[in-house]
Amino acid sequence: DVKVTQSSRYLVKRTGEKVFLECVQDMDHENMFWYRQDPGLGLRLIYFSYDVKMKEKGDIPEGYSVSREKKERFSLILESASTNQTSMYLCASSLSAWEGRAVTDTQYFGPGTRLTVL
Amino acid sequence: GIQVEQSPPDLILQEGANSTLRCNFSDSVNNLQWFHQNPWGQLINLFYIPSGTKQNGRLSATTVATERYSLLYISSSQTTDSGVYFCAVARFFSSGSARQLTFGSGTQLTVLP
Repeated sequence: DVKVTQSSRYLVKRTGEKVFLECVQDMDHENMFWYRQDPGLGLRLIYFSYDVKMKEKGDIPEGYSVSREKKERFSLILESASTNQTSMYLCASSLSAWEGRAVTDTQYFGPGTRLTVL
Repeated sequence: GIQVEQSPPDLILQEGANSTLRCNFSDSVNNLQWFHQNPWGQLINLFYIPSGTKQNGRLSATTVATERYSLLYISSSQTTDSGVYFCAVARFFSSGSARQLTFGSGTQLTVLP
């Protein structure tokens, strides 16, 4: 089974603090993703990475950065946390694979981190 | 970008009943997944189904790619089926590299004992 773990289930930080959210996957997946989930807004992609040291912006990258130094680990960084970054953060990983003439790309999610910024 | 609409937004069932959840999407897709989000927030994979039909126990899903919709069927529902069901789609670039999933707003299912 694919296992995606996140460093904390619940986190409380103060405005202006630097926050690190860690995600680790154990299936040698090349692709990793960070989403946030907010009531009424659904899940929105922050950043993703398709290889070590590679990253691409998603829909809402402002106020965030990411780091992928090793294939299994993808970190989300809030440089200076603000109250509007209070949210549920979900990490996912996937492996793009050819099956015949089609590419399959199933995303597997971690348990999530509920971040509260006071 | 691709638009994803799910219906109904809310569904309340008695235990043992059957249900159908629908997902409409606005453009052709290479990836379609159904997820169940449990009360603790974990997103559980149900199906990877960009086209065709799949079954897993009491759950089955059908995607008609040419008509841009997918259906999730839940038979003989149980209280543990409660939660939010999400449909998510993605398109690949010609290189085949992964691209982001676009999620629908979900269907909140409540199964009463």
